[in-house]
Amino acid sequence: GAVVSQHPSRVICKSGTSVKIECRSLDFQATTMFWYRQFPKQSLMLMATSNEGSKATYEQGVEKDKFLINHASLTLSTLTVTSAHPEDSSFYICSAFGRLNTGELFFGEGSRLTVL
Amino acid sequence: QKEVEQNSGPLSVPEGAIASLNCTYSDRGSQSFFWYRQYSGKSPELIMFIYSNGDKEDGRFTAQLNKASQYVSLLIRDSQPSDSATYLCAVNINNKLIFGAGTRLAVHP
Repeated sequence: GAVVSQHPSRVICKSGTSVKIECRSLDFQATTMFWYRQFPKQSLMLMATSNEGSKATYEQGVEKDKFLINHASLTLSTLTVTSAHPEDSSFYICSAFGRLNTGELFFGEGSRLTVL
Repeated sequence: QKEVEQNSGPLSVPEGAIASLNCTYSDRGSQSFFWYRQYSGKSPELIMFIYSNGDKEDGRFTAQLNKASQYVSLLIRDSQPSDSATYLCAVNINNKLIFGAGTRLAVHP
C-alpha cells in the first residue's frame, strides 16, 4: 500500500481566520494529490486536484481563492481555507494514488475543521 | 443524474448473513471501480477494486461488475457486527475517483 499522512487531525478556529492543512505522502512521491470535503452523513466531494509544480485544478463550484492549494514538492500538498466561516466546517481529506498507480486512492486520516 | 448512485440505506442484516450493496454509474467509459469502507469520523479504507466484468473474490468480500448494465455490487458473506460502517462505491472518471453517497450497513447480533 501507500501511506498518506494529514495534519492537523482537528482544528477549531474563529470565523475570519485562515487554516492550513498539510498532506504528505510518506513512502512514495505523489505528483498528484486530491482534496475531498465531506459534510456529515454525506459522501466525499472532490474539491480539487493538486498538481506538483503547477496550479491546482478545481471542481465546478469550488472557489479557488477561498481554498488555496499548494503542491510545492513531490511529497507535500497543502490546503489553506482562507477567511473561514462556519459553513466551511467540514471533514477535509487528502488522497493520492499509490506508487504502483493501480488506480486506487490512499487517503490521509482527514482533518476536521470547526469554524466558530 | 448523479455520476455514481447508491442506496443510502440503512441496510440492516443479522450477523452471519450476506450483505449485498449496490452501485450504478453513468459514464460508460469508466474502467475501474472501487469499494471503500468508512467508519464514522474516519477516512475511507479500500476494500476491493475491480476492472473486469464478472466476480472478484477476496476473503468474505466479492465484487461484481457488469459494464453493460453499468452496475457494481459488493457482497459481504458471514457479516459481522464489525462490518457495520458506510460503504462507498467509487468510479474512476477521467483519472479522478468520484464517490457515491454511500450505503450505511448495520449488522446486528
